[in-house]
Amino acid sequence: RKEVEQDPGPFNVPEGATVAFNCTYSNSASQSFFWYRQDCRKEPKLLMSVYSSGNEDGRFTAQLNRASQYISLLIRDSKLSDSATYLCAGGMGGYNKLIFGAGTRLAVHP
Amino acid sequence: DVKVTQSSRYLVKRTGEKVFLECVQDMDHENMFWYRQDPGLGLRLIYFSYDVKMKEKGDIPEGYSVSREKKERFSLILESASTNQTSMYLCASSLWQGSSSYEQYFGPGTRLTVT
Repeated sequence: RKEVEQDPGPFNVPEGATVAFNCTYSNSASQSFFWYRQDCRKEPKLLMSVYSSGNEDGRFTAQLNRASQYISLLIRDSKLSDSATYLCAGGMGGYNKLIFGAGTRLAVHP
Repeated sequence: DVKVTQSSRYLVKRTGEKVFLECVQDMDHENMFWYRQDPGLGLRLIYFSYDVKMKEKGDIPEGYSVSREKKERFSLILESASTNQTSMYLCASSLWQGSSSYEQYFGPGTRLTVT
């Protein structure tokens, strides 16, 4: 089993839709989690950190469920510009490494 | 703003050549990382460094070596390039924190083609 797993998608949604991605992790000792956004042929860029109490930034909400070992990203009122691949990452301790999921592709259409 | 730069955006090399990929960060980060990214496989860690002259193998170190002579600079070396090393190479940096992990910031990537 991979340490961090994501549904690769693609998720095809119309503008204005609400879409949610989950990401499961296997190491219960993981302390820190992040969501990154990656546009085609570009580098991953930090979207948001995921805190135990949840984290909201505008249309984006990230949550952590330690009991079930997953993190989620909710995007409300999707825009065409949200089309990208979303990577989740978990901190596995030991030299501050992050383990990345393979990404979930989102395509928002008019 | 964290800035991570990589020496080349695109690189074409021949099989057997020695290849140097350079990465520089300007935020005084202790940790630096080299990944490769291939379709369907996601980001795979090649090597990382948590201090000058210190290095640790990641998940796929075979065929690669690294050098960190200065805190801001982390180099990835392909000793003898092979076609299966054609990939997107991404450098990242982060602050060091004891038992947890800070977010990593990525450079723009180097798309390497080995022919």
